[in-house]
Amino acid sequence: RKEVEQDPGPFNVPEGATVAFNCTYSNSASQSFFWYRQDCRKEPKLLMSVYSSGNEDGRFTAQLNRASQYISLLIRDSKLSDSATYLCVVNPLGSNYKLTFGKGTLLTVNP
Amino acid sequence: GAVVSQHPSWVICKSGTSVKIECRSLDFQATTMFWYRQFPKQSLMLMATSNEGSKATYEQGVEKDKFLINHASLTLSTLTVTSAHPEDSSFYICSAKGLGLPFGAEQYFGPGTRLTVT
Repeated sequence: RKEVEQDPGPFNVPEGATVAFNCTYSNSASQSFFWYRQDCRKEPKLLMSVYSSGNEDGRFTAQLNRASQYISLLIRDSKLSDSATYLCVVNPLGSNYKLTFGKGTLLTVNP
Repeated sequence: GAVVSQHPSWVICKSGTSVKIECRSLDFQATTMFWYRQFPKQSLMLMATSNEGSKATYEQGVEKDKFLINHASLTLSTLTVTSAHPEDSSFYICSAKGLGLPFGAEQYFGPGTRLTVT
């Protein structure tokens, strides 16, 4: 089982749609969780951290289920500018802050 | 705040030559820097972790004699790809974590260096 596994995608949605990304991780001792976005040929940029109680930032909502080792990201009212690859990222306990990246899910929002 | 730069942003070199990539933290002191490599349509893969003033820790399968890492100051780490070959062509990205940044595992990424070996 891969350490971090994401929906393979790609996702193509119209503007205004709601889209959800799913991610599972294998290391139950993981302690920090993030969603990053990566535009084509660019570096990853932190979108949001994921907290146990779930958290929201504008149109973006992240959820964490430790029992199921599952993380999700919901984007509401998607914009053209949301088109990017979304990376699920996990920091295992005791890893000295190393991050483990999922392969990413490509999202294209169409006009 | 928390800006990380990389230089060069892209480089083309001939097989057998060495290439040095610099990673700088511009507005904070980076106690730890990470070097990643990303092949097309693949995930970022951690190559090594470097702490200022000590030897880098390499991930399994990464040749330390081929990928030389130096983290001599709190604002600069360098990655030298020695005797580069076409299979080393990739997108190399550094990230940094350090003093004054939010606690936890958040890392700040440089813009990456695209290496093409001909």
